[in-house]
Amino acid sequence: AQTVTQSQPEMSVQEAETVTLSCTYDTSESDYYLFWYKQPPSRQMILVIRQEAYKQQNATENRFSVNFQKAAKSFSLKISDSQLGDAAMYFCALFKAAGNKLTFGGGTRVLVKP
Amino acid sequence: EAGVAQSPRYKIIEKRQSVAFWCNPISGHATLYWYQQILGQGPKLLIQFQNNGVVDDSQLPKDRFSAERLKGVDSTLKIQPAKLEDSAVYLCASSLRSPRDTQYFGPGTRLTVL
Repeated sequence: AQTVTQSQPEMSVQEAETVTLSCTYDTSESDYYLFWYKQPPSRQMILVIRQEAYKQQNATENRFSVNFQKAAKSFSLKISDSQLGDAAMYFCALFKAAGNKLTFGGGTRVLVKP
Repeated sequence: EAGVAQSPRYKIIEKRQSVAFWCNPISGHATLYWYQQILGQGPKLLIQFQNNGVVDDSQLPKDRFSAERLKGVDSTLKIQPAKLEDSAVYLCASSLRSPRDTQYFGPGTRLTVL
């Protein structure tokens, strides 16, 4: 069974519009963290946003925000006012304290149309 | 602050040859990670160091892969002999103290095995 699942292989969005990427995860622990990373064609993974599981408030970072639904084990990323530079692969990742490592989903490719 | 440095950026070798990758983490970061990212997939952890000690190498194919971090700073990952299925991007990352901290990634090395 997948620990981190990203069900959308590719999403397309018009410039200046909003797109939401889905991520579901599997853990029975209470001590964990969730991340969204962006990987442009240059290949470098760039942190977009981080969410501690114990925090109820959804994390935001400029045009990026998450909808963290702990009971549903869902962690979606919303990109508002999409820009051409947002085009990239986006990876959801889970850190579990017990496993002591980061596990990535399969990624979602975001295409931004001018 | 300088980021994670990796070299080379690209490497093409024939199967059964050897190859080595180098990584220099962010200054002061105690934890260093090597990931393998096969095309179309998320990164998979190969090995994790805490200072110069190995914390997790459960996913490292030890019959052909080796890694070291002798002085607790930079690290090398070696493949000997390479197989076709080793073609991938090899990402190095570092974090301040532990995997609980945010991981920062280098630009990666794209390895092609012919």
